[in-house]
Amino acid sequence: QSVLTQPPSVSAAPGQKVTISCSGSSSNIGNNLVSWYQQLPGTAPKLLIYDNNKRPSGIPDRFSVSKSGTSATLGITGLQTGDEADYYCGAWDSSLSAFLFGGGTQLTVL
Amino acid sequence: QVQLQQSGPGLVKPSQTLSLTCAISGDSVSSNSTAWNWIRQSPSRGLEWLGRAYFRSKWYNDYSVSVKSRITINPDTSKNQFSLHLNSVTPEDAAVYYCARGTARDGVAVWGQGTTVTVSS
Repeated sequence: QSVLTQPPSVSAAPGQKVTISCSGSSSNIGNNLVSWYQQLPGTAPKLLIYDNNKRPSGIPDRFSVSKSGTSATLGITGLQTGDEADYYCGAWDSSLSAFLFGGGTQLTVL
Repeated sequence: QVQLQQSGPGLVKPSQTLSLTCAISGDSVSSNSTAWNWIRQSPSRGLEWLGRAYFRSKWYNDYSVSVKSRITINPDTSKNQFSLHLNSVTPEDAAVYYCARGTARDGVAVWGQGTTVTVSS
């Protein structure tokens, strides 16, 4: 069981918005930066968001993150079938001195 | 751009040492602004960060508690690469292993191609 908790799955229709939560604690999300990753089947994870809410070059602004206390939420607007993937949150844990990943959320675009 | 190329065996016997290498192009293993990580993924354990090596005037390592007694991550400045050594492996160590470049601040932005490791006699 991951220290960073994500829902196992979410779904929404094309064009709609979906949110994916990531819940942690004061030793990780509460006091450290959060990043998010997208993993398409058979490929390595891809960085979507870093430094809480910054997007690498090439990542559309349909992807955004909000953070409150010890939780962070990834929002995806204008859903496309190509967004079907597994999504992971990540954060440094100051108590463990380790980087943590959430358990992952499978997004289905119906 | 930065690219990482992994190499190493895909089959390791139980109790032996898993060794993988990650060759870096487009950056230096001695960069003082990033870190070099090993991450694995399995159906049972999900994405699991194993550890990192980084240079800030001297070399540092951080390791996951789950493997701390068995893991070593070493930089090789002469070949601009870094390696993973995980000893006393069991079938629980079977996974896809990734090398990756990044920090908690900047995110893990560059990933190797992944190596599927099977632990079996």
